[in-house]
Amino acid sequence: ETGVTQTPRHLVMGMTNKKSLKCEQHLGHNAMYWYKQSAKKPLELMFVYSLEERVENNSVPSRFSPECPNSSHLFLHLHTLQPEDSALYLCASSQEDRNTEAFFGQGTRLTVV
Amino acid sequence: GESVGLHLPTLSVQEGDNSIINCAYSNSASDYFIWYKQESGKGPQFIIDIRSNMDKRQGQRVTVLLNKTVKHLSLQIAATQPGDSAVYFCAENYKGPSGGSNYKLTFGKGTLLTVNP
Repeated sequence: ETGVTQTPRHLVMGMTNKKSLKCEQHLGHNAMYWYKQSAKKPLELMFVYSLEERVENNSVPSRFSPECPNSSHLFLHLHTLQPEDSALYLCASSQEDRNTEAFFGQGTRLTVV
Repeated sequence: GESVGLHLPTLSVQEGDNSIINCAYSNSASDYFIWYKQESGKGPQFIIDIRSNMDKRQGQRVTVLLNKTVKHLSLQIAATQPGDSAVYFCAENYKGPSGGSNYKLTFGKGTLLTVNP
């Protein structure tokens, strides 16, 4: 248990569906992140939120839409995804101004059919 | 057509042996480095970290070495056990080009460690 909880753990969705991934951290951190992990690729940083403001968007397609309503919650809204978007989506949090490690959730295994 | 992807480096060791996993990082401005372990079906777990003002740090059965001259990081695991089998990632953290307090954690591609009983 890392203090970062992601739901659901597994998700299968069609290309026309709309779904959301949820992340919640209980560590009092001020920064939250979405990463994508595909087979045989490094972890790819997608979005960074610091103090609930988006500070990084790594050229992610608009079919991925993040939302950070408060410092403890992070969402990733999914719409009209492609099969190549199938991956493990990982949420992480950290205390940014202390330059310390990020804590990861268990991830959501997403399959787009 | 043929798809080309990254081949994950692998290391296979016998139980009880020492393991050394290497990582080359990219940014000379990075000032904080982390090793993570990721088991199948789980998210990455923190193992050990080191700041750029150090060249060695020891934990329980693990040691991290940092060589800033050649931008190289290594993780040494003593008396490797079957439970150490996982993918190991190094990560570097540095401030963005505009400075400020926004750090960016960037990961290497990982090394698959297999421990044979």
